[in-house]
Amino acid sequence: GIQVEQSPPDLILQEGANSTLRCNFSDSVNNLQWFHQNPWGQLINLFYIPSGTKQNGRLSATTVATERYSLLYISSSQTTDSGVYFCAVGRSWDTNAGKSTFGDGTTLTVKP
Amino acid sequence: SQTIHQWPATLVQPVGSPLSLECTVEGTSNPNLYWYRQAAGRGLQLLFYSVGIGQISSEVPQNLSASRPQDRQFILSSKKLLLSDSGFYLCAWSAIIAKNIQYFGAGTRLSVL
Repeated sequence: GIQVEQSPPDLILQEGANSTLRCNFSDSVNNLQWFHQNPWGQLINLFYIPSGTKQNGRLSATTVATERYSLLYISSSQTTDSGVYFCAVGRSWDTNAGKSTFGDGTTLTVKP
Repeated sequence: SQTIHQWPATLVQPVGSPLSLECTVEGTSNPNLYWYRQAAGRGLQLLFYSVGIGQISSEVPQNLSASRPQDRQFILSSKKLLLSDSGFYLCAWSAIIAKNIQYFGAGTRLSVL
């Protein structure tokens, strides 16, 4: 199956700092999502980005599918950005289901 | 708008007892449904998925089973729980026309003692 590697595993920032989270995957995919898991365990959709670049407020993401990686940028970080960020990828050309393989996440702590 | 409900939020069960976790989706028809498990400090592992009523696919061998008795209802079960079944269980759905975009429920924290 596909291997997904996220880096760094842990990241500690001061409020207001910027950060870049990386997701590498071992095979071509047509499905890539970024999620934020809050301290209560809820997974919040950030981006669906199998290729290209998207921005939503202080967050943006870029996926270079040909080189098998995706980046999540967080600018002007806030304490509410703390939590675990997951990348999930999949290959769904031959199935009706959007099955996803998750990385182990990056745990972000933003200090006031 | 679509919403996904999962219950209970937390559950403590003795080893050897049965399990039933329920997930329902509102506001959409014929969704794809998924059960994931998250071990502490790790990512999510896909356990089962379903593309229709009565259609269940298992991704990993385990002590659990899944059923889809109605279009928007997905149930995770076990006849006899093991200690290793402890974890955080999440249900997710995706639309047929946008199968790659999954939305998650709030999850159930299961402790088997």
